Amino acid sequence: GQQLNQSPQSMFIQEGEDVSMNCTSSSIFNTWLWYKQDPGEGPVLLIALYKAGELTSNGRLTAQFGITRKDSFLNISASIPSDVGIYFCAGRRNQAGTALIFGKGTTLSVSS
Amino acid sequence: DGGITQSPKYLFRKEGQNVTLSCEQNLNHDAMYWYRQDPGQGLRLIYYSQIVNDFQKGDIAEGYSVSREKKESFPLTVTSAQKNPTAFYLCASSNPGGLAGVSNTGELFFGEGSRLTVL
Repeated sequence: GQQLNQSPQSMFIQEGEDVSMNCTSSSIFNTWLWYKQDPGEGPVLLIALYKAGELTSNGRLTAQFGITRKDSFLNISASIPSDVGIYFCAGRRNQAGTALIFGKGTTLSVSS
Repeated sequence: DGGITQSPKYLFRKEGQNVTLSCEQNLNHDAMYWYRQDPGQGLRLIYYSQIVNDFQKGDIAEGYSVSREKKESFPLTVTSAQKNPTAFYLCASSNPGGLAGVSNTGELFFGEGSRLTVL
């Protein structure tokens, strides 16, 4: 099955720094989602995007649905230690279906 | 509280043994899913079910089986035919009748996972 190209694979940053990660695909998606997974837990939905060009914020997190519908990015501003975890992008090509395609994840480490 | 419950959280089994992972949800969601997670591999879809008594294979269904006899339950059996079963297994549910594609009410919600180790 197809997977999204998510980068970077891992990031090591200092507390207070901003973070940016992105996902790309060769196919058009109608929905982009960003999840965060804490160690040993299930992923939790952070932001959902449904329209090309849409820019949505959730606290210090901002995500955008690329205008070409083939990419999305997630920014985290002023990182804190609890931002540590794995961030996954996920996309859906067909709005009528429900199966998501996931990226391989970006592992974020934050040092204080 | 509404949610998805997976059990057991940790499971060890010997090679050649079948094992069943439980997934129960009280969210009244129609659709349920099983994903497998390996380090650096992201989430890969094993099976999914959009309605009771119906399910479809995902990308990596070989060596696994499921049943959907009740709306709230979607157990996954890892059979001895699965060549590399050690992994973190995640169950999820969604409500296709919700507004997926318009708002997040139809999106996937995950359980806390079950870690299976084959000795």
